[in-house]
Amino acid sequence: EAGVAQSPRYKIIEKRQSVAFWCNPISGHATLYWYQQILGQGPKLLIQFQNNGVVDDSQLPKDRFSAERLKGVDSTLKIQPAKLEDSAVYLCASSKTGTATNEKLFFGSGTQLSVL
Amino acid sequence: KQEVTQIPAALSVPEGENLVLNCSFTDSAIYNLQWFRQDPGKGLTSLLLIQSSQREQTSGRLNASLDKSSGRSTLYIAASQPGDSATYLCAVDSGGGADGLTFGKGTHLIIQP
Repeated sequence: EAGVAQSPRYKIIEKRQSVAFWCNPISGHATLYWYQQILGQGPKLLIQFQNNGVVDDSQLPKDRFSAERLKGVDSTLKIQPAKLEDSAVYLCASSKTGTATNEKLFFGSGTQLSVL
Repeated sequence: KQEVTQIPAALSVPEGENLVLNCSFTDSAIYNLQWFRQDPGKGLTSLLLIQSSQREQTSGRLNASLDKSSGRSTLYIAASQPGDSATYLCAVDSGGGADGLTFGKGTHLIIQP
């Protein structure tokens, strides 16, 4: 079974530029999550999709971050314009239903973003 | 708001020792607690998931316990090996699937050969 795929692996941009990350979850997984992990911290949830609908985006800085999952499969996370404090690893995760209480999350390898 | 704390932040032990990693959380109304492993430059791998009605889960040399009433969990690693070196993260599900997981900052573990 293929895992969660993310690209690119690394990205270096200057502040005020834009950047986009892509994620393809495990086949058949209804729920997709984007997490931000700043160095030395645990991951923080940015947005959660159930199929192509948003379940929770309360911690997404909506003035600069946007995300979509148009066909309920793969997803794109965009930052425009980027700030220095956006430097982090962006992790995508998926789970089968997103509603079961005994359901594990499966994570991709992440995209490491450096904003200069 | 749920907060998760992990102690210690870093740990270095000789190969072969048994060790315990600690996790505490502030709100005992949880659905489950998960332990993850993160290798440098990699994503997270789920190790164990304990549902709120369970007391412990075991997988190989790993044993995780949960005391929901006191807001604590431990991850016990038996007969540690250099390959166990990684960051171990504790995460709590307070929303039954919604709201995502709340993570601690992790314990950075080094097993000396």
